[in-house]
Amino acid sequence: DIQMTQSPSSLSASVGDRVTITCRASQSISSYLNWYQQKPGKAPKLLIYAASSLQSGVPSRFSGSGSGTDFTLTISSLQPEDFATYYCQQSYSTLRITFGQGTRLEIK
Amino acid sequence: QVTLKESGPVLVKPTETLTLTCTVSGFSLSNARMGVSWIRQPPGKALEWLAHIFSNDEKSYSTSLKSRLTISKDTSKSQVVLTMTNMDPVDTATYYCARIPPYDSSRPYYYYGMDVWGQGTTVTVSS
Repeated sequence: DIQMTQSPSSLSASVGDRVTITCRASQSISSYLNWYQQKPGKAPKLLIYAASSLQSGVPSRFSGSGSGTDFTLTISSLQPEDFATYYCQQSYSTLRITFGQGTRLEIK
Repeated sequence: QVTLKESGPVLVKPTETLTLTCTVSGFSLSNARMGVSWIRQPPGKALEWLAHIFSNDEKSYSTSLKSRLTISKDTSKSQVVLTMTNMDPVDTATYYCARIPPYDSSRPYYYYGMDVWGQGTTVTVSS
């Protein structure tokens, strides 16, 4: 199975900060990478698909980039509602989907 | 409006079989190239993909849990059912189902991600 590794595991930031979360795949996955946001007690929410395409209804302060093995999720100006846990998920392996271990974004 | 809702027992005993149902609305399980996934999340831990099933009845399972899982669908009832045998306390988790939107034939199934999720159902395994 393809392993997905996120960094950092946790991050403290302030409202208005620019934040970047990294996801690395154990092999090349082209641009087949999705990002989700999860708030405590809630189901995950799709933010970005295919590495850089913004899901409908998601604010434009969220952006994604990367291809091959290295990907990033960037929040350009943190808002109070953005404090959550973020997961990457590879979609390259059609038969075996894997997620990263998550990055917890906390208020500084 | 597309919705998914998980249902099943809150508590199961070790060695028992867990049966979870995902009831969908706002789309049909017979829609071409559409699927439903099951994902779980132990308390305080990461998401773990379990299985999926598509409208053409194509199925796939997690490598580590394949021997214990069975996924099926009843299109007429708009339901996807996941069974997991030989439950253990480490299987205690919140179980989610999620929709896989129709994929392009030239791209991977999950190219568009899992776009709508159920609220999740919490299952505790304890004697």
